Amino acid sequence: QKEVEQDPGPLSVPEGAIVSLNCTYSNSAFQYFMWYRQYSRKGPELLMYTYSSGNKEDGRFTAQVDKSSKYISLFIRDSQPSDSATYLCAMSATSGYSTLTFGKGTMLLVSP
Amino acid sequence: EAQVTQNPRYLITVTGKKLTVTCSQNMNHEYMSWYRQDPGLGLRQIYYSMNVEVTDKGDVPEGYKVSRKEKRNFPLILESPSPNQTSLYFCASSPLRGSTDTQYFGPGTRLTVL
Repeated sequence: QKEVEQDPGPLSVPEGAIVSLNCTYSNSAFQYFMWYRQYSRKGPELLMYTYSSGNKEDGRFTAQVDKSSKYISLFIRDSQPSDSATYLCAMSATSGYSTLTFGKGTMLLVSP
Repeated sequence: EAQVTQNPRYLITVTGKKLTVTCSQNMNHEYMSWYRQDPGLGLRQIYYSMNVEVTDKGDVPEGYKVSRKEKRNFPLILESPSPNQTSLYFCASSPLRGSTDTQYFGPGTRLTVL
C-alpha cells in the first residue's frame, strides 16, 4: 500500500461548484498536513497547512483532517476557473524541516 | 521579492554528459531540497540539506550529487545522465524553525536526456 493515495482525476466541475479533494494515508505518525496547488509549468505553492485533526478555513478553502480514519480533505467553495490546477496533498511526521511525503496530485478543471 | 530560482529552466542533453542545475534562494533558509516530478509517480525527494555542508539522501538519490557550500545555493549535479533521469526537477527551501512546513518551490527545470 502506498503511503499517500490521491485520485489523479481529472475532476471537472462548473464554476461556482463546491469541490472536494481527498487523500488517504497509511502512516499513523503523520501529524502535519498540507495542500499545495500547482499550476501547469509552475512549482507547487502552499495553500493550506494543518496540524493533527480538525478543520482550518482560509477564505474559500477549508482543510479537514481525520487522523482516526487517516483521511484528509480540501474543500473549495464557489470554485473559479482560476482554481484549475493540480492539487497535491503532503504530510510529515515532525515539524520544521522533516521530509514531506506527497500524494500524486489531483487535477481540477473548473469550467466557466 | 522572496524566491527560489533555478537554472536552466529547460535542458536537453545526451547520455553521459555531466550537467549541473543551479538552485538559489534569497530567504536565508537553512533547509533546501531537490525533488523530481514524474507522471504517475508524483514528487519524490532526491536530496536535502539542513544547512551548509550538511546533506542527506532522499527517496531517489541514485545518479545524483549535491553540494551545499553556501547557504543560498544548492546545486544538483548529474555526473553521467541517463534517459531515466528525464524529468521535471524542483528545488525547494524552508526555514528550519517555524510554525509550518512551508516549502517554497522554484519554477522547475525540465530535463531531457537523449
